[in-house]
Amino acid sequence: ETGVTQSPTHLIKTRGQQVTLRCSSQSGHNTVSWYQQALGQGPQFIFQYYREEENGRGNFPPRFSGLQFPNYSSELNVNALELDDSALYLCASSLGQGGYEQFFGPGTRLTVL
Amino acid sequence: AQKVTQAQTEISVVEKEDVTLDCVYETRDTTYYLFWYKQPPSGELVFLIRRNSFDEQNEISGRYSWNFQKSTSSFNFTITASQVVDSAVYFCALSETFSGTYKYIFGTGTRLKVLA
Repeated sequence: ETGVTQSPTHLIKTRGQQVTLRCSSQSGHNTVSWYQQALGQGPQFIFQYYREEENGRGNFPPRFSGLQFPNYSSELNVNALELDDSALYLCASSLGQGGYEQFFGPGTRLTVL
Repeated sequence: AQKVTQAQTEISVVEKEDVTLDCVYETRDTTYYLFWYKQPPSGELVFLIRRNSFDEQNEISGRYSWNFQKSTSSFNFTITASQVVDSAVYFCALSETFSGTYKYIFGTGTRLKVLA
């Protein structure tokens, strides 16, 4: 059974650019959530996708957007990057929405210069 | 407002000591879920336990135990006879539903250092 994978591992961008991060969910999981984790902080919930529809969103502006594909893999897109967007971005998959345990990927470290 | 508070930023114990990590939450929902996750130095978050709001039974799994008390909105985690491998950051998290959508709130984490 393959776990959650994310790509790329590290990324460096400049302010104002756009970035796309990718996530493959664990086999059999239909729900993907994305989180932003700043250094020394807890993960902050960005949004969740269930069967290709966004069904939950945290306090992030619209420049954070996402997609989920029919195979349940997912993308996180961030437009107009700001310095404060520098963080570890975590993807987590689960068997369903809400109360299911989440399985996390290793994350993508994004640095915005 | 929904909130998860882990007041202990960092705890250091000597191996074989027992340690309790505190978690206090706030929610407007009657149906919600609570979780504990472990983030070892390698960085990947690992699920430890889930509790729903209707199940106040305490749970024990090996050296780990959890105490859920709705009356005090707390979901504390105890490690008995701690080991160096328990060194990690531990996060308490809350999952709730509002108008058919879902939200997850993590605490700021407690860094546990177990010294040999």
